[in-house]
Amino acid sequence: EAGVAQSPRYKIIEKRQSVAFWCNPISGHATLYWYQQILGQGPKLLIQFQNNGVVDDSQLPKDRFSAERLKGVDSTLKIQPAKLEDSAVYLCASSQLKGSLKTQYFGPGTRLLVL
Amino acid sequence: AQKVTQAQTEISVVEKEDVTLDCVYETRDTTYYLFWYKQPPSGELVFLIRRNSFDEQNEISGRYSWNFQKSTSSFNFTITASQVVDSAVYFCALCLSGSARQLTFGSGTQLTVLP
Repeated sequence: EAGVAQSPRYKIIEKRQSVAFWCNPISGHATLYWYQQILGQGPKLLIQFQNNGVVDDSQLPKDRFSAERLKGVDSTLKIQPAKLEDSAVYLCASSQLKGSLKTQYFGPGTRLLVL
Repeated sequence: AQKVTQAQTEISVVEKEDVTLDCVYETRDTTYYLFWYKQPPSGELVFLIRRNSFDEQNEISGRYSWNFQKSTSSFNFTITASQVVDSAVYFCALCLSGSARQLTFGSGTQLTVLP
């Protein structure tokens, strides 16, 4: 079974530019998460989707970050405009929907450096 | 609000030594789940174990073992006969039951196993 796919793996941009990250979850996983992991810290949830609806985006800086999951499969996370403090690894995870709590499986992440 | 504390920022051991990684959590909920993830230098978070709050049985999987104690709100992870390939950052995480099911991560412990 293929894991969570993310692209690009690395991105370097200048502040005030825009950037987009893509995630393809494990086949059949209805729930998709985006996390931000700043160097030396644990991942922090940005947004959670269930199918194509948002479950929680309370920690998403909505003035500059946006995310969508139009067909309930792939997802895109965008930053516009980027700030220096957005330098981090952006992790995508997915889990099944039905039944008891299901484990979240993570992709390899996108390392963003904002100069 | 829930919280996970991993007080050990970095640990170094020599190969074949045993090592224990500590995890202390805080929550007012009676139903919750605890996780350990491994993050090797490649960046991907690898799921190791999930334990629910009603199951305090310790678990062993090969060289890995986990000690869950509700009385002290701890969920410690022991690696027996450590190997160089065990070098990674290890995260403990807490998830409450309910629709959101967000993971709250600790800050991680960097384990270095020296040959």
